[in-house]
Amino acid sequence: GNSVTQMEGPVTLSEEAFLTINCTYTATGYPSLFWYVQYPGEGLQLLLKATKADDKGSNKGFEATYRKETTSFHLEKGSVQVSDSAVYFCALRDGGATNKLIFGTGTLLAVQP
Amino acid sequence: DTEVTQTPKHLVMGMTNKKSLKCEQHMGHRAMYWYKQKAKKPPELMFVYSYEKLSINESVPSRFSPECPNSSLLNLHLHALQPEDSALYLCASSQEGGSSYNEQFFGPGTRLTVL
Repeated sequence: GNSVTQMEGPVTLSEEAFLTINCTYTATGYPSLFWYVQYPGEGLQLLLKATKADDKGSNKGFEATYRKETTSFHLEKGSVQVSDSAVYFCALRDGGATNKLIFGTGTLLAVQP
Repeated sequence: DTEVTQTPKHLVMGMTNKKSLKCEQHMGHRAMYWYKQKAKKPPELMFVYSYEKLSINESVPSRFSPECPNSSLLNLHLHALQPEDSALYLCASSQEGGSSYNEQFFGPGTRLTVL
């Protein structure tokens, strides 16, 4: 079945450091891919998405490119801030009409001043 | 209005209590979802409603009973829960139609504690 694998956390960075959170997927066909962010004590917010190969999703300085050849959707940001501290979930939309999301295990990012 | 709201924000209940969680959206979405999230884990899908009909039940125990009274509202009725049911319960909604653009919008969640 379809699945998502994320790098283990926590990831601890200093402010203004470069961020990469790796995400790879296993799926039949061409699923839509998403990054969601969850701040402490809150629900999930959609951070960015990509719906086909070579699409680049971007939002708030974060970017991720849908790489079909490597089945990856790595999240990057050039300069992180303390306010980016959160849990980041990579997800894919399962095939068919159900719109079911399959999540990775999540990666905790802690940014220190 | 691009918001999904959930009430209550926190709920503490005993194992013999009956309580309900409420979710509301006014984005015209016709698909609504319940997820359960344990600490430091990703959300797990419980139920999906499509056009007010239950379309997916992920083998959830019958002590959880979903209800979709209209296209804007989704309830989750709780009865005879166990302490291991303590979790964050998230509601989400999306447009329907099978399009690959059907991103899900999540509410802030209800943090449930079962004593």
